[in-house]
Amino acid sequence: TQLLEQSPQFLSIQEGENLTVYCNSSSVFSSLQWYRQEPGEGPVLLVTVVTGGEVKKLKRLTFQFGDARKDSSLHITAAQPGDTGLYLCAGAPVTSYGKLTFGQGTILTVHP
Amino acid sequence: GAVVSQHPSRVICKSGTSVKIECRSLDFQATTMFWYRQFPKQSLMLMATSNEGSKATYEQGVEKDKFLINHASLTLSTLTVTSAHPEDSSFYICSARDDRKTNYGYTFGSGTRLTVV
Repeated sequence: TQLLEQSPQFLSIQEGENLTVYCNSSSVFSSLQWYRQEPGEGPVLLVTVVTGGEVKKLKRLTFQFGDARKDSSLHITAAQPGDTGLYLCAGAPVTSYGKLTFGQGTILTVHP
Repeated sequence: GAVVSQHPSRVICKSGTSVKIECRSLDFQATTMFWYRQFPKQSLMLMATSNEGSKATYEQGVEKDKFLINHASLTLSTLTVTSAHPEDSSFYICSARDDRKTNYGYTFGSGTRLTVV
């Protein structure tokens, strides 16, 4: 059983479209992180959400943390080809002593 | 910002040999570091948690004698793949958690591409 269920796993869209990636769990998290990873490189942190109900914006990216701190979403507005990559959510459940686990990942392809 | 240096970035070795991968936190102390394995187009799979001054904690299904972890200082953890075989070929990534930010201070290395021939 996957601790963090991330969906969709694959997303292929046209430039200018909007998209949302979801990350859900039955566990409570002290924080959730979103990363973006390019092939052959390590994940790069986009944002950390800590407070239930928190919304953070990073240019065209909007991140939301659920009120109960069990789920999160990433919304991209007007996607561009440069947004193409692997997006990962990750979190450390409050019972995990800080052990960070990842969702399955979302491979996003934005076509010009 | 926090930086984690992982070395080497790529390594090719022969079957039966051992390979050591280093993970170093450059500007912060990390009592805890993590080692992940990643297959193409898949997410990161946690292999083990490395604790400075004590034994590593391995995830279920990960052979501790195969993947030796040493965390000898607050800034360095090493992963040694012993008696490597082609099925050990993968992308290995480390992460260091800043001791001052225990709930969210995770920084990742750039990964090591291991190819066993």
